[in-house]
Amino acid sequence: KAGVTQTPRYLIKTRGQQVTLSCSPISGHRSVSWYQQTPGQGLQFLFEYFSETQRNKGNFPGRFSGRQFSNSRSEMNVSTLELGDSALYLCASSLEPQSSYEQYFGPGTRLTVT
Amino acid sequence: AQSVTQLDSQVPVFEEAPVELRCNYSSSVSVYLFWYVQYPNQGLQLLLKYLSGSTLVKGINGFEAEFNKSQTSFHLRKPSVHISDTAEYFCAVIPGDSSYKLIFGSGTRLLVRP
Repeated sequence: KAGVTQTPRYLIKTRGQQVTLSCSPISGHRSVSWYQQTPGQGLQFLFEYFSETQRNKGNFPGRFSGRQFSNSRSEMNVSTLELGDSALYLCASSLEPQSSYEQYFGPGTRLTVT
Repeated sequence: AQSVTQLDSQVPVFEEAPVELRCNYSSSVSVYLFWYVQYPNQGLQLLLKYLSGSTLVKGINGFEAEFNKSQTSFHLRKPSVHISDTAEYFCAVIPGDSSYKLIFGSGTRLLVRP
């Protein structure tokens, strides 16, 4: 079974631009979560989607948004990029029900904002 | 708010020596506990988890962890490490609610020397 895939793997953007990152979960997984990893703040939860609905949201500004499609694929969007948005963005998928709570992570998208 | 503390930012150890990576969490309610490993330029891989039951949990690659409710700790151990265990290790919790939101510690870099 294929793992979580994220595209693109690397991205360089300029301040003020916007960016869209994509995540394809493991087949059959319906929950997708996004995390931001930076050297200064570590790993921080962005949001979680299940059945196309945002179920949970972390403490990030409204410039960070996401969505989930009917095939469980998810995208996250960051508008008006700032230098501090440079990070590794990780996507994780989970199989419902919640009895296992296991999340499977993709390799991440490394975003560099210049 | 829920938090996770990893007391050591880096742990150097010689090959074949035992190792313990420390993790403490703050919570007055039930939590689910996890250890993840991150190799360079990769996503996170689940090592082991504690949901309930036996407090000694065995995971992949010879790792194990012990849940101690009175000390709110979940330390990770391996009796004999290999060079290939060199990586970043993250302790994480999911609060006892209905979400999949992982709250991570700051990570411990395990450096195995020959």
